[in-house]
Amino acid sequence: DAGVIQSPRHEVTEMGQEVTLRCKPISGHDYLFWYRQTMMRGLELLIYFNNNVPIDDSGMPEDRFSAKMPNASFSTLKIQPSEPRDSAVYFCASSFWRAGSQPQHFGDGTRLSIL
Amino acid sequence: DAKTTQPNSMESNEEEPVHLPCNHSTISGTDYIHWYRQLPSQGPEYVIHGLTSNVNNRMASLAIAEDRKSSTLILHRATLRDAAVYYCILTGSARQLTFGSGTQLTVLP
Repeated sequence: DAGVIQSPRHEVTEMGQEVTLRCKPISGHDYLFWYRQTMMRGLELLIYFNNNVPIDDSGMPEDRFSAKMPNASFSTLKIQPSEPRDSAVYFCASSFWRAGSQPQHFGDGTRLSIL
Repeated sequence: DAKTTQPNSMESNEEEPVHLPCNHSTISGTDYIHWYRQLPSQGPEYVIHGLTSNVNNRMASLAIAEDRKSSTLILHRATLRDAAVYYCILTGSARQLTFGSGTQLTVLP
């Protein structure tokens, strides 16, 4: 079975440019999560969706970050304009909610470098 | 969410059992105990979870203390591929995972 698919795997761009990260969750999963990992802050949640609707975006650092989920099989995380401090590995994860048991399946991440 | 405490690092010899501890003294009655691991340059990977009873799967075993204030992830025969950061996470009503700093497991050949 295909897992969570993220693209691109690596992105290097200059400060001020728009960056779009993409995620395809596992088919049938009703939750989608975006996490960011840095050495300083570890893994932290940015936003998550349930049935394509954003539920909690309190982790989104600022207005430069936005996320959408236009349908059950696709989500994007956009940074505009990008800054060097946005450099991190961004992970997408999906899950199928069952009471008490909700293992999340993670993609391999997008390593973002802002110069 | 209740907090977990794990050792920063542990070492094990290849083909020997590994016991990774986790303390969660403020766990609530509805919190599940989840373990994930993250291999180098990969996303976190689900390992196992449980509520009150010990659990086994093909990857590992989870031993939960009777008072639920601690748990232990058991890898029965460590391999080099098990070298990773292991995260112990409590989940209650929240859908998201709150990661701590985890335990860096080094497996020695």
